[in-house]
Amino acid sequence: DQQVKQNSPSLSVQEGRISILNCDYTNSMFDYFLWYKKYPAEGPTFLISISSIKDKNEDGRFTVFLNKSAKHLSLHIVPSQPGDSAVYFCAASASRGNNRLAFGKGNQVVVIP
Amino acid sequence: DAGITQSPRYKITETGRQVTLMCHQTWSHSYMFWYRQDLGHGLRLIYYSAAADITDKGEVPDGYVVSRSKTENFPLTLESATRSQTSVYFCASSDIDRVDGYTFGSGTRLTVV
Repeated sequence: DQQVKQNSPSLSVQEGRISILNCDYTNSMFDYFLWYKKYPAEGPTFLISISSIKDKNEDGRFTVFLNKSAKHLSLHIVPSQPGDSAVYFCAASASRGNNRLAFGKGNQVVVIP
Repeated sequence: DAGITQSPRYKITETGRQVTLMCHQTWSHSYMFWYRQDLGHGLRLIYYSAAADITDKGEVPDGYVVSRSKTENFPLTLESATRSQTSVYFCASSDIDRVDGYTFGSGTRLTVV
């Protein structure tokens, strides 16, 4: 059973607009959440993270929001740029989970110039 | 060069053959991981290792074997390849308690014919 779920597998957005990616999790032990970005023919790269003690973390154009009661997080990209076109993976970890990350299926984002 | 390298980048093999995918990291990270990426499934953990000579199964370990005799190397062996093992395989490493330090290799695209 997938513990990290990303629905809406693909998203198209105009350059300059906001991209919003959603992620839901089921495991109450998860307390650290991350987003990874992946370009074709490359490995995923770390983008941004958030600890369960926070509800928001911002890094430049990227903001992650966490709603623990709903077991939901989202990634906002503002403004979206063509270089943001990639697959985005949501991931989660439990502090005592041997550094293991559970990943969602990924969201394909296409930013239209 | 420092980093995590996977070899080969591309591999075609026949059903029933044994094939080994290599992973080498230069940071002396404690943890190493093998994931496979498939359409509709995202990234799924095959095996991971917390240190040399310590390995454990992930979500989808059947048909795979790993070893970790040295900290820097974590080879993944398909003992008798099947078509369902056609996938893109990613190796990753991280230091203890640094899940945002997960660094992925560039991947190996394996095709089993």
